[in-house]
Order: sequence, then structure tokens, then C-alpha cells
Amino acid sequence: GENVEQHPSTLSVQEGDSAVIKCTYSDSASNYFPWYKQELGKGPQLIIDIRSNVGEKKDQRIAVTLNKTAKHFSLHITETQPEDSAVYFCAASISNFGNEKLTFGTGTRLTIIP
Amino acid sequence: GAGVSQSPSNKVTEKGKDVELRCDPISGHTALYWYRQRLGQGLEFLIYFQGNSAPDKSGLPSDRFSAERTGESVSTLTIQRTQQEDSAVYLCASRDVEVKLFFGSGTQLSVL
Repeated sequence: GENVEQHPSTLSVQEGDSAVIKCTYSDSASNYFPWYKQELGKGPQLIIDIRSNVGEKKDQRIAVTLNKTAKHFSLHITETQPEDSAVYFCAASISNFGNEKLTFGTGTRLTIIP
Repeated sequence: GAGVSQSPSNKVTEKGKDVELRCDPISGHTALYWYRQRLGQGLEFLIYFQGNSAPDKSGLPSDRFSAERTGESVSTLTIQRTQQEDSAVYLCASRDVEVKLFFGSGTQLSVL
């Protein structure tokens, strides 16, 4: 089955600087890659996703890049703010409009230092 | 609109007791998932429902775990004869037509 590795496990960034979180996946058939943000005591919230037919997607301060050949994808947060502090999870799945069983990475705890 | 609702938000039980966890998905979402999240860990897939049937139960850890869904709506995850290693947050998610998963806030289960 799919295996997703995520790093770093913790990341501290000065407010205003950029943060980058990286994930690799094992199954070349995976074609859907979402990123989730989880705040304390809450469920994961989808913040951005990308499908395998594109290499990059942006949404304001957040961007995701995908390298299908190398089987890795990354989350980029620019101009970080204190409210960006949370645990971030990457995931991968084979989207066949049937079972979208997401396989998650182990998470990155991002701390923004004011 | 209303999101995925899970109840109870917290459940403390004694080892050996049975527990039922409930999930109310977003209205109209036909696919529903259960995941487990141990402290400081990632999310572990348990089971997937399409309508009222469960085509993929491969993540259920043992036969003490079961789940059902009725009316293409509410789902219940049941854990029989709970063990301490069952302590975790149990998360439910429903899926929209764009294949995006929306999670509830979870049920924190503590087995003493």
C-alpha cells in the first residue's frame, strides 16, 4: 500500500519568514495530494490540494508543488503569521472517484515565533 | 453550512466496556470515513462507507471494532471490550463531489 513520509516533524519559523514542509510518497499511482492543518482540539482542516496533472497550485500565502517523477510534494507558506502555528499533515491517495482512502504523513508541528 | 458533527466529544470508559461513537456527516455527502489518531501521531484509516455499504474495512484493527451507517447519513463506530491501547481521538470525515474530505472535531476516547 501507499506510504507517506513527512519532514520535518517540528519547524520553528520567525514571523514573516517562509516555511516549507516536504512529503514523499511510494505509490506512483497516487494522483491526489491534499494538505491539512490541525489546531489543538480540532479536526484536520483542508487548506490546499493538488492533483497529479499540475505541478503547482497557489492560494494566497500558501502554495503546493508536486514532482511526480521524484514522488514528492511540498507545502510552502510565505509571510508566516502567528495563526499559522498548528500541526500540518500531508496525504496521498489514488483518486478513482470510488474509495479516496487518504494515507497521511506523520505531521509537522509548525511554530511561528513572534 | 453545518460541518461534520461527532459525539460525544470526550468519552472516558473502563477497560472491558463497550463504547459507541457517532458521526453526522455533511448533508448530501455519500462517502464517509473513520480515522484514528493516537497522541502525537498521524491519522490511521479505519473504514470507508459509500452509501450504507462499507467496501473497505481494511483498517479496522481487530474484530472488536465495527461500524455501520444507516440512511446514507449517520454512522456509528462501536468498540467492544475496550482496551487501553484503544485510547485515541477517533475522527470522522465525509467527502464532497470534488473528492475533498471534511473532518469533524473527533471523539477523544480514554480507556482507564
